This record gives sequence, C-alpha cells and structure tokens, in this order.
Amino acid sequence: GQNIDQPTEMTATEGAIVQINCTYQTSGFNGLFWYQQHAGEAPTFLSYNVLDGLEEKGRFSSFLSRSKGYSYLLLKELQMKDSASYLCAVRDSNYQLIWGAGTKLIIKP
Amino acid sequence: SQTIHQWPATLVQPVGSPLSLECTVEGTSNPNLYWYRQAAGRGLQLLFYSVGIGQISSEVPQNLSASRPQDRQFILSSKKLLLSDSGFYLCAWSAPGASHLEQYFGPGTRLTVT
Repeated sequence: GQNIDQPTEMTATEGAIVQINCTYQTSGFNGLFWYQQHAGEAPTFLSYNVLDGLEEKGRFSSFLSRSKGYSYLLLKELQMKDSASYLCAVRDSNYQLIWGAGTKLIIKP
Repeated sequence: SQTIHQWPATLVQPVGSPLSLECTVEGTSNPNLYWYRQAAGRGLQLLFYSVGIGQISSEVPQNLSASRPQDRQFILSSKKLLLSDSGFYLCAWSAPGASHLEQYFGPGTRLTVT
C-alpha cells in the first residue's frame, strides 16, 4: 500500500527554527509537495521537490532524498502566523497525490 | 488570474437527505478538477477527479457521485447522506496535462450530517 508518515503535532517557539519530517512509501514517485493549512481553511501550496536536495523559498525550505523516501520542511524565524497544519503529499506513478495526515505546528511566544 | 469558488461554506443536513455541492473555476480552460474530503485530524482523501467535461474518475466507492456539466464546473452529489459523510469537502484545480504541478484549493464546504 501507499503510505505517508508525518508527526501528528509539534511545538516550537516564536523566532526559532523547526523541521517537519515526512517519510513516504508510494507506487512510483513524481514529486513531493508541502502545503500549509490554517484551521478551518483550505490548504495553500508551499513547495515542490522532484530532485534530491534543498529548495529554499524565503523563510521556508524543503529537502528531498528519493533514495530514503524522505523529505523535510524547514521553517526559520518562526512567527505566530506560522501556527498551522503542514501537509506532505507525494505524486505517484499515476500522477495522483497521496496525502499525509498533516503535522499540526503550535508556535508559542 | 485564476480563482476557484465553492458553495455553500457550511451545511447541516439530516441523515438520508440529498446533497449538492458546487465548485467553479475562473480564469483557466480545461482544468483538471478534484473533490477531496478531509475528516477531522485526517489527511485529504481524493473522492473524484476529472480531466474534462463528462469525464469522472472515482477513487473511493461510496454513496457520493460527481458530475462535470461544464468545463469549469464540478458538482458533488449524494441521494442519501450518511453520518459518515460529515467532513470538510475541498474542490481543487490544476493545470491541464499530465505534467501539471500544484493543485489550488477552493475555500471548502464544512458538512455536518445529523
């Protein structure tokens, strides 16, 4: 079967750095996505990785290792507005997205 | 620019009643369209996707159905709702073609079946 694993919840302090991990086992691989979802709202696109390595976009970076079936999302200089769920999704060989359950990130002052 | 609309925003329906949720996309042609359901604390479950008018693929057999009567309109329906149909329903679109990248989500409909 296909599986995406993420921690259920993480807590971090405002101004700090946090790393959210995602491991996956899917039928084929055609890219990995990270989305941010604030409570009660729709997910919004954050990043896309298809090759190994680090993609940096402002305060957010995403890393991929295809051989390990592993990705992480790195958030720097945390702000209170970063409190949200972060969803990892992998596009399989049929170009369908397989979604993780999301990691709820709680930011404390 | 492209926008995606969903309505209603919230809905409370009794068990056994029918359902119709509508999604429309503006600013793009022949988009891929998706219906997802998200239960509380769970990941997104793909229900249906469509690559064109009248072309619907069902991912999960259940008492829901979808239709695409127009290029940028996607409708989710049920003849008789179950308690287990409660959840957050999200419509999404992506650019046409197999090489499409990210999906863009509508604001969602929160459905409570009582």
